[in-house]
Amino acid sequence: KAGVTQTPRYLIKTRGQQVTLSCSPISGHRSVSWYQQTPGQGLQFLFEYFSETQRNKGNFPGRFSGRQFSNSRSEMNVSTLELGDSALYLCASSLDRGNTDTQYFGPGTRLTVL
Amino acid sequence: QQPVQSPQAVILREGEDAVINCSSSKALYSVHWYRQKHGEAPVFLMILLKGGEQKGHEKISASFNEKKQQSSLYLTASQLSYSGTYFCGTESLNSARQLTFGSGTQLTVLP
Repeated sequence: KAGVTQTPRYLIKTRGQQVTLSCSPISGHRSVSWYQQTPGQGLQFLFEYFSETQRNKGNFPGRFSGRQFSNSRSEMNVSTLELGDSALYLCASSLDRGNTDTQYFGPGTRLTVL
Repeated sequence: QQPVQSPQAVILREGEDAVINCSSSKALYSVHWYRQKHGEAPVFLMILLKGGEQKGHEKISASFNEKKQQSSLYLTASQLSYSGTYFCGTESLNSARQLTFGSGTQLTVLP
């Protein structure tokens, strides 16, 4: 079974631009979560989507948004990019079999903001 | 508030044992352990639910002390492939399905 895939793997943008990242979950997984990983702040939860609805949200500004499609694929958008948005963005999918479940991570998208 | 992991870094010789601790100030529902190698995605190791369960995975096992809100990851007879950064991710009772990760423990296994 194929793992979580993320596109693109690398991205370079300039301040003020916006960016869209894509995540395809493992087949059959219905929940997709997004995380930001930086050397300073570590792994931080952005949001989680299930059945095309945002179910949980972390403490990030409104510039960070996402959505999920009917096939469970998810996109994340960051508007008005800032230098501090440079990070590895990871998505993770899970089956959603109850109160908790294993999250499987994709390889990430490395975003560099110049 | 993120869980506190200790130690921050540890260096071992092949065959030695290590323990990595994860402590939270919140009441936890579960603890998830991951290992991440440089430039790669975090890889799931195991999940522990409240109730003090101890799980095992080959020579890696973990425990969860619900009273203390602490989890420990035990690596026995370490192998070179165990090198990487270990993260604990916690789910609190009022933040289900939202993992809060510790800052990580960098483990280096030398031959």
